Amino acid sequence: QTVVTQEPSFSVSPGGTVTLTCGLSSGSVSNRDYPSWYQQTPGQAPRTLIYSTTTRASGVPDRFSGSILGNKAALTITGAQADDESDYYCVLHMDPGISLFGGGTRLTVL
Amino acid sequence: QLQLQESGPGLVKPSETLSLTCTVSGGSISSNSYFWDWIRQHPGKGLEWIGTIYYSGITYYNLSLRSRVTMSVDTSKNQLSLKLTSVTAADTAIYFCARRRLGDLRYFDYWGQGALVTVSS
Repeated sequence: QTVVTQEPSFSVSPGGTVTLTCGLSSGSVSNRDYPSWYQQTPGQAPRTLIYSTTTRASGVPDRFSGSILGNKAALTITGAQADDESDYYCVLHMDPGISLFGGGTRLTVL
Repeated sequence: QLQLQESGPGLVKPSETLSLTCTVSGGSISSNSYFWDWIRQHPGKGLEWIGTIYYSGITYYNLSLRSRVTMSVDTSKNQLSLKLTSVTAADTAIYFCARRRLGDLRYFDYWGQGALVTVSS
């Protein structure tokens, strides 16, 4: 069974840059997997950040960017702010009917 | 503005059936551009995809839950429903419904606020 892998946790200093990644237990992530990224704070529903690898959702600050780095999808936060401290989830839609969620990355800003 | 609202019993007994409804407002569930998904989150854990349904009734389910899950749509009420049978404490979670775009823009663009369901006697 294919598993989507994410770093369990990451930390970044305020104003710093961090790149979270999204890989596959076997194989590479590509644009054809339509990677998307979601931010979730405790007690809230997820918020869409990035879709189709690189497209920012409406209202998302441009300090968030998506890309493919090597064989993984990546979410980069440039100039991290305190309120970026959240859980981040990657989702792959390689099959039109199926969504594969990563385990999420807990980002600490300190 | 599209809104999704989950509703249903917050407490279900072990071995019984969990039933939730997601009411969609501000848009039609009958659009051919979207799937409608259920996702859950165990307390303190990550998001788990349960399955998806198209307005025509086509469904895809997570293989790990497939034997216990049924999804349906009621286009007249603009609602989708989730049923999960033979629940155990491991099914205690927040259940979200979400709209997922099709085609070349595959992603969840709207989410409900989630409904906490506790399985306990």
